[in-house]
Amino acid sequence: DADVTQTPRNRITKTGKRIMLECSQTKGHDRMYWYRQDPGLGLRLIYYSFDVKDINKGEISDGYSVSRQAQAKFSLSLESAIPNQTALYFCATSDPLAGAAENEQFFGPGTRLTVL
Amino acid sequence: AQKITQTQPGMFVQEKEAVTLDCTYDTSDPSYGLFWYKQPSSGEMIFLIYQGSYDQQNATEGRYSLNFQKARKSANLVISASQLGDSAMYFCAMREGDGTQGGSEKLVFGKGTKLTVNP
Repeated sequence: DADVTQTPRNRITKTGKRIMLECSQTKGHDRMYWYRQDPGLGLRLIYYSFDVKDINKGEISDGYSVSRQAQAKFSLSLESAIPNQTALYFCATSDPLAGAAENEQFFGPGTRLTVL
Repeated sequence: AQKITQTQPGMFVQEKEAVTLDCTYDTSDPSYGLFWYKQPSSGEMIFLIYQGSYDQQNATEGRYSLNFQKARKSANLVISASQLGDSAMYFCAMREGDGTQGGSEKLVFGKGTKLTVNP
């Protein structure tokens, strides 16, 4: 089973609708992240959380909100979706206690969101 | 200011040949980490290789090596003996800080390079 899962994997919605993207992880990591990827722009950080009580805005948080329901779950919400939020969304996790200097982020499979 | 620059939107290489994907970065933090990720057409992000700013030697992982030139602020990925399965998007990313507890751990990504391996 995958260590980092995202649901749904694909979603088509309409402008103005509220939508939630969910991320779950079994890696036991405290740190979780949400990124969006647009063609030609790479990945950009939306929000990140270092533990259940810690939520931080990233580079492009406007129009998004998050909830860290538990160590293993981190949800991203679009309160009123707009077409320019059409993108590929990634959840990631990391563990600074892993002991490895590299401490890479582990990514989920992505959610492809289309806002019409 | 853009912190990670990948100047090659697309690259082509013949199977079995080596290819270098360029990455330059900008930071004033003396402690940082550089990562390369591969994104095949299926969309997942696959970690390839890491270089720490204090590492004395260039990182290597199988057919991947990182040509780290600290003074030039470059961290180019070298793929040796290219295979058809290497065709993908490649992203360079930087983390400022040393990655230990209390550090930032936020990654800043470049825009990516699309590599095509021709048979």
